[in-house]
Amino acid sequence: AQSVTQLGSHVSVSEGALVLLRCNYSSSVPPYLFWYVQYPNQGLQLLLKYTSAATLVKGINGFEAEFKKSETSFHLTKPSAHMSDAAEYFCAVTRPLISGGYNKLIFGAGTRLAVHP
Amino acid sequence: EAGVAQSPRYKIIEKRQSVAFWCNPISGHATLYWYQQILGQGPKLLIQFQNNGVVDDSQLPKDRFSAERLKGVDSTLKIQPAKLEDSAVYLCASSLAGRGRGRISGELFFGEGSRLTVL
Repeated sequence: AQSVTQLGSHVSVSEGALVLLRCNYSSSVPPYLFWYVQYPNQGLQLLLKYTSAATLVKGINGFEAEFKKSETSFHLTKPSAHMSDAAEYFCAVTRPLISGGYNKLIFGAGTRLAVHP
Repeated sequence: EAGVAQSPRYKIIEKRQSVAFWCNPISGHATLYWYQQILGQGPKLLIQFQNNGVVDDSQLPKDRFSAERLKGVDSTLKIQPAKLEDSAVYLCASSLAGRGRGRISGELFFGEGSRLTVL
């Protein structure tokens, strides 16, 4: 079975500071990993995804994440936080199926990012 | 390209009443999902359709929840009767089916959600 753990339900940073949101996964097979962002009263939007190519993945809005198999981690970072980054961030895991398609996407509990001036 | 459409955006009902949510996926997306997102939690898959057929409904409370996807396009999710613990945002998502050249690897596209409050 696959699962995702996001460490820290709330993270607060100053504008211009480094953003680090932690995600650890559990999977018996090579996973596909995603980070989604959810702004208030909106649906989820894909930030970036890892699908067994480059381990350092760059996404939208200056975010990136690094897949580390030895640490079973896929932490999300951004060098300099902006006020507009305030949102909830979800890490998710799936895997390709031999029969075709993908296993269901399983989400972590989310991390709410606050950015203060 | 139009995104995933959901309605209504907000619904308030009393317990034991019924409610229905509608979803129109992105054109050409064969796979459709309904997720339940309770406040403070990540989305949880309720049901997954591949065209008309159900792929996974293992976490759907079938005594009160039902879903259908007629003609492999639009879908409705119904709750009858509603309980207090059903208060949540119901998210619909869609994706391309299968894998191969041109397929985005497992990416889901979400609608804005339908927020249900059960009093």
